[in-house]
Amino acid sequence: KAGVTQTPRYLIKTRGQQVTLSCSPISGHRSVSWYQQTPGQGLQFLFEYFSETQRNKGNFPGRFSGRQFSNSRSEMNVSTLELGDSALYLCASSLKKEVADTQYFGPGTRLTVL
Amino acid sequence: TQLLEQSPQFLSIQEGENLTVYCNSSSVFSSLQWYRQEPGEGPVLLVTVVTGGEVKKLKRLTFQFGDARKDSSLHITAAQPGDTGLYLCAGYNAGNMLTFGGGTRLMVKP
Repeated sequence: KAGVTQTPRYLIKTRGQQVTLSCSPISGHRSVSWYQQTPGQGLQFLFEYFSETQRNKGNFPGRFSGRQFSNSRSEMNVSTLELGDSALYLCASSLKKEVADTQYFGPGTRLTVL
Repeated sequence: TQLLEQSPQFLSIQEGENLTVYCNSSSVFSSLQWYRQEPGEGPVLLVTVVTGGEVKKLKRLTFQFGDARKDSSLHITAAQPGDTGLYLCAGYNAGNMLTFGGGTRLMVKP
């Protein structure tokens, strides 16, 4: 079974631009969660989607948004990029039959904002 | 806000040594998870502990959940260079969002 894939793996943008990151979950997984990882703040939850609906949202500004498609693939968008948005963005998928279901993480997209 | 504090933040040891990583909170968690993350990869789940006082073993790794379900520890026996990585504890908060500790970066030198 293929793992979680994220594209692109690396991305360089400039302040003020917007960016879209993509995540393909493991086949059969209906839940996709997004996380931001930085050296200073560690791993922080962004949002979770299940069956195309956002179920949970972390404490991030409205510039961060996401969506999930009918095939469970998910995208996250960051508008008006700031230097502080430079981070590793991780997506994780799970069956989500239970709260503590195992989450399988992708390798991440490393975003650098100049 | 349910916070998880990990200690130590960094650990550099020689191959063969033992070590313990701690994960503490002032809040009760229904379960705690431990992950390991290697450079260029996402975190990989090692274990989930659910019951207070629970002890789980995974080869040379021993995980313990505190009786009050507020803290957990990871003990590695006879560490090997392949154990090098970032170890993260995480728990689901009341809003069913996975909250991570700050991580412990372990380096095991041959």
